[in-house]
Amino acid sequence: DGGITQSPKYLFRKEGQNVTLSCEQNLNHDAMYWYRQDPGQGLRLIYYSQIVNDFQKGDIAEGYSVSREKKESFPLTVTSAQKNPTAFYLCASGLAGEVDTQYFGPGTRLTVL
Amino acid sequence: GQNIDQPTEMTATEGAIVQINCTYQTSGFNGLFWYQQHAGEAPTFLSYNVLDGLEEKGRFSSFLSRSKGYSYLLLKELQMKDSASYLCAMYTGGFKTIFGAGTRLFVKA
Repeated sequence: DGGITQSPKYLFRKEGQNVTLSCEQNLNHDAMYWYRQDPGQGLRLIYYSQIVNDFQKGDIAEGYSVSREKKESFPLTVTSAQKNPTAFYLCASGLAGEVDTQYFGPGTRLTVL
Repeated sequence: GQNIDQPTEMTATEGAIVQINCTYQTSGFNGLFWYQQHAGEAPTFLSYNVLDGLEEKGRFSSFLSRSKGYSYLLLKELQMKDSASYLCAMYTGGFKTIFGAGTRLFVKA
Protein backbone atom coordinates (compact mmCIF):
# COMPACT_ATOMS: atom_id res chain seq x y z
CA ASP A 1 0.00 0.00 0.00
CA GLY A 2 1.29 3.46 -0.92
CA GLY A 3 1.33 6.03 1.78
CA ILE A 4 3.17 8.37 4.07
CA THR A 5 4.22 7.35 7.56
CA GLN A 6 5.43 9.28 10.56
CA SER A 7 6.90 7.90 13.73
CA PRO A 8 6.45 7.93 16.58
CA LYS A 9 2.83 8.99 17.12
CA TYR A 10 3.63 10.51 20.52
CA LEU A 11 6.99 11.79 21.69
CA PHE A 12 8.09 13.23 25.00
CA ARG A 13 11.38 15.04 25.51
CA LYS A 14 13.03 17.10 28.18
CA GLU A 15 13.68 20.75 27.54
CA GLY A 16 17.07 21.34 25.96
CA GLN A 17 17.20 18.05 24.06
CA ASN A 18 17.21 17.78 20.29
CA VAL A 19 14.69 15.35 18.82
CA THR A 20 14.24 13.95 15.31
CA LEU A 21 10.84 13.17 13.81
CA SER A 22 10.69 10.59 11.04
CA CYS A 23 8.74 10.92 7.77
CA GLU A 24 8.76 8.31 5.01
CA GLN A 25 6.71 8.07 1.81
CA ASN A 26 6.44 5.45 -0.91
CA LEU A 27 4.22 7.47 -3.21
CA ASN A 28 7.16 8.43 -5.45
CA HIS A 29 6.46 12.11 -4.74
CA ASP A 30 9.18 14.64 -5.40
CA ALA A 31 7.98 17.27 -2.93
CA MET A 32 7.84 16.86 0.83
CA TYR A 33 6.76 19.28 3.55
CA TRP A 34 6.79 19.75 7.30
CA TYR A 35 4.04 21.67 9.06
CA ARG A 36 3.33 22.54 12.62
CA GLN A 37 -0.24 22.69 13.94
CA ASP A 38 -1.18 24.52 17.12
CA PRO A 39 -4.69 24.85 18.61
CA GLY A 40 -6.70 27.63 16.95
CA GLN A 41 -4.12 28.19 14.23
CA GLY A 42 -3.73 27.02 10.67
CA LEU A 43 -0.97 24.70 9.57
CA ARG A 44 2.30 26.61 9.38
CA LEU A 45 5.05 25.59 7.01
CA ILE A 46 8.41 24.79 8.59
CA TYR A 47 10.45 23.43 5.68
CA TYR A 48 9.81 21.97 2.26
CA SER A 49 11.85 20.06 -0.29
CA GLN A 50 11.23 19.90 -4.03
CA ILE A 51 13.89 17.35 -4.80
CA VAL A 52 16.57 15.20 -3.18
CA ASN A 53 19.44 17.15 -1.59
CA ASP A 54 17.51 20.42 -1.74
CA PHE A 55 15.22 22.05 0.79
CA GLN A 56 13.86 25.51 1.56
CA LYS A 57 12.82 27.33 4.70
CA GLY A 58 9.14 27.91 5.27
CA ASP A 59 7.51 30.55 7.42
CA ILE A 60 8.71 29.28 10.81
CA ALA A 61 12.04 27.51 10.21
CA GLU A 62 13.91 28.92 13.21
CA GLY A 63 14.91 26.19 15.65
CA TYR A 64 14.33 23.38 13.15
CA SER A 65 16.54 21.53 10.66
CA VAL A 66 15.87 18.97 7.93
CA SER A 67 17.68 16.73 5.47
CA ARG A 68 16.64 15.11 2.18
CA GLU A 69 19.20 12.45 1.36
CA LYS A 70 16.65 10.08 -0.16
CA LYS A 71 13.49 10.75 -2.14
CA GLU A 72 11.45 8.70 0.34
CA SER A 73 12.65 10.32 3.54
CA PHE A 74 12.46 13.84 5.02
CA PRO A 75 13.33 13.83 8.76
CA LEU A 76 12.80 16.92 10.88
CA THR A 77 15.01 17.77 13.86
CA VAL A 78 13.57 20.00 16.54
CA THR A 79 16.53 21.63 18.21
CA SER A 80 16.89 23.16 21.64
CA ALA A 81 16.81 26.57 19.95
CA GLN A 82 13.09 26.18 19.21
CA LYS A 83 11.43 28.25 21.94
CA ASN A 84 8.05 26.53 22.00
CA PRO A 85 8.40 23.05 20.48
CA THR A 86 5.32 21.38 21.95
CA ALA A 87 2.94 20.92 19.00
CA PHE A 88 1.43 18.50 16.51
CA TYR A 89 3.82 17.99 13.58
CA LEU A 90 2.54 16.94 10.18
CA CYS A 91 4.58 15.72 7.24
CA ALA A 92 3.14 15.82 3.73
CA SER A 93 4.20 14.90 0.22
CA GLY A 94 3.02 15.92 -3.23
CA LEU A 95 3.69 15.62 -6.93
CA ALA A 96 5.01 19.19 -7.15
CA GLY A 97 3.16 19.82 -10.39
CA GLU A 98 0.68 22.48 -11.35
CA VAL A 99 -1.66 21.52 -8.54
CA ASP A 100 -0.01 21.19 -5.16
CA THR A 101 -2.32 18.57 -3.64
CA GLN A 102 -0.62 17.35 -0.52
CA TYR A 103 -1.00 13.99 1.16
CA PHE A 104 -0.44 14.01 4.88
CA GLY A 105 1.07 11.54 7.31
CA PRO A 106 -0.69 10.69 10.59
CA GLY A 107 1.33 13.24 12.56
CA THR A 108 3.60 13.23 15.60
CA ARG A 109 2.51 14.92 18.80
CA LEU A 110 5.63 16.25 20.50
CA THR A 111 5.52 17.28 24.14
CA VAL A 112 8.53 18.94 25.69
CA LEU A 113 8.55 18.75 29.47
CA GLY B 1 -1.10 40.68 2.67
CA GLN B 2 -2.34 37.12 2.71
CA ASN B 3 -5.21 36.07 4.93
CA ILE B 4 -7.81 33.34 5.24
CA ASP B 5 -10.90 33.53 7.42
CA GLN B 6 -13.35 30.79 8.32
CA PRO B 7 -15.69 30.35 11.29
CA THR B 8 -14.19 28.66 14.32
CA GLU B 9 -17.05 26.29 15.08
CA MET B 10 -20.39 25.20 13.67
CA THR B 11 -23.05 22.80 14.86
CA ALA B 12 -25.55 20.98 12.67
CA THR B 13 -28.01 18.11 12.94
CA GLU B 14 -27.63 14.65 11.44
CA GLY B 15 -29.29 14.49 8.02
CA ALA B 16 -29.20 18.25 7.50
CA ILE B 17 -27.15 20.44 5.14
CA VAL B 18 -24.36 22.72 6.34
CA GLN B 19 -22.33 25.36 4.50
CA ILE B 20 -18.86 26.29 5.73
CA ASN B 21 -17.65 29.62 4.38
CA CYS B 22 -14.11 30.77 3.69
CA THR B 23 -12.89 34.20 2.61
CA TYR B 24 -9.36 34.90 1.52
CA GLN B 25 -7.03 37.68 0.47
CA THR B 26 -3.84 37.15 -1.47
CA SER B 27 -1.81 38.79 -4.20
CA GLY B 28 -1.21 35.54 -6.06
CA PHE B 29 -3.88 32.87 -6.32
CA ASN B 30 -3.87 29.56 -8.16
CA GLY B 31 -6.70 27.69 -6.48
CA LEU B 32 -8.45 26.75 -3.26
CA PHE B 33 -8.32 23.50 -1.32
CA TRP B 34 -10.64 22.00 1.24
CA TYR B 35 -9.30 19.32 3.60
CA GLN B 36 -11.06 17.32 6.31
CA GLN B 37 -9.26 16.61 9.57
CA HIS B 38 -10.56 14.38 12.35
CA ALA B 39 -9.20 15.16 15.80
CA GLY B 40 -5.60 14.00 16.20
CA GLU B 41 -5.40 12.70 12.65
CA ALA B 42 -3.99 13.79 9.30
CA PRO B 43 -5.87 16.18 7.02
CA THR B 44 -7.34 14.41 3.98
CA PHE B 45 -8.00 16.06 0.63
CA LEU B 46 -11.61 16.87 -0.23
CA SER B 47 -11.54 19.27 -3.18
CA TYR B 48 -9.55 21.74 -5.23
CA ASN B 49 -11.24 24.61 -7.09
CA VAL B 50 -9.48 26.65 -9.75
CA LEU B 51 -12.40 28.06 -11.74
CA ASP B 52 -15.45 29.91 -10.48
CA GLY B 53 -18.48 27.79 -9.79
CA LEU B 54 -19.70 24.76 -7.94
CA GLU B 55 -18.06 21.35 -8.07
CA GLU B 56 -20.00 18.43 -6.70
CA LYS B 57 -18.48 15.24 -5.37
CA GLY B 58 -21.02 12.96 -3.72
CA ARG B 59 -22.36 14.50 -0.51
CA PHE B 60 -19.71 17.23 -0.60
CA SER B 61 -19.66 20.24 -2.94
CA SER B 62 -17.25 23.15 -3.10
CA PHE B 63 -17.84 26.61 -4.56
CA LEU B 64 -15.37 29.31 -5.57
CA SER B 65 -15.72 32.97 -6.54
CA ARG B 66 -12.31 34.33 -7.45
CA SER B 67 -13.55 37.91 -7.88
CA LYS B 68 -15.02 37.92 -4.38
CA GLY B 69 -12.25 35.94 -2.68
CA TYR B 70 -14.87 33.55 -1.38
CA SER B 71 -15.40 29.82 -1.18
CA TYR B 72 -17.72 27.47 0.63
CA LEU B 73 -17.93 23.78 1.35
CA LEU B 74 -21.41 22.28 1.33
CA LEU B 75 -22.07 19.04 3.16
CA LYS B 76 -25.39 17.29 2.52
CA GLU B 77 -27.12 14.48 4.41
CA LEU B 78 -24.86 15.01 7.36
CA GLN B 79 -23.61 11.95 9.21
CA MET B 80 -22.08 11.69 12.66
CA LYS B 81 -18.75 10.77 11.07
CA ASP B 82 -18.68 14.20 9.41
CA SER B 83 -17.83 15.71 12.80
CA ALA B 84 -14.33 17.04 12.09
CA SER B 85 -12.39 20.18 11.31
CA TYR B 86 -12.58 21.51 7.76
CA LEU B 87 -9.52 23.38 6.55
CA CYS B 88 -9.69 25.96 3.79
CA ALA B 89 -6.34 26.53 2.07
CA MET B 90 -5.25 28.76 -0.79
CA TYR B 91 -2.56 27.67 -3.19
CA THR B 92 -0.52 30.69 -4.21
CA GLY B 93 1.97 28.78 -6.35
CA GLY B 94 5.62 27.88 -5.86
CA PHE B 95 5.00 25.20 -3.21
CA LYS B 96 3.14 27.69 -1.07
CA THR B 97 -0.19 26.63 0.37
CA ILE B 98 -1.63 28.83 3.11
CA PHE B 99 -4.03 27.14 5.50
CA GLY B 100 -6.86 28.67 7.50
CA ALA B 101 -7.29 27.79 11.16
CA GLY B 102 -10.12 25.39 10.31
CA THR B 103 -13.80 25.17 11.16
CA ARG B 104 -14.73 22.57 13.76
CA LEU B 105 -18.05 20.99 12.80
CA PHE B 106 -20.13 19.19 15.40
CA VAL B 107 -22.89 16.95 14.09
CA LYS B 108 -25.57 16.13 16.67
CA ALA B 109 -28.20 13.43 16.59
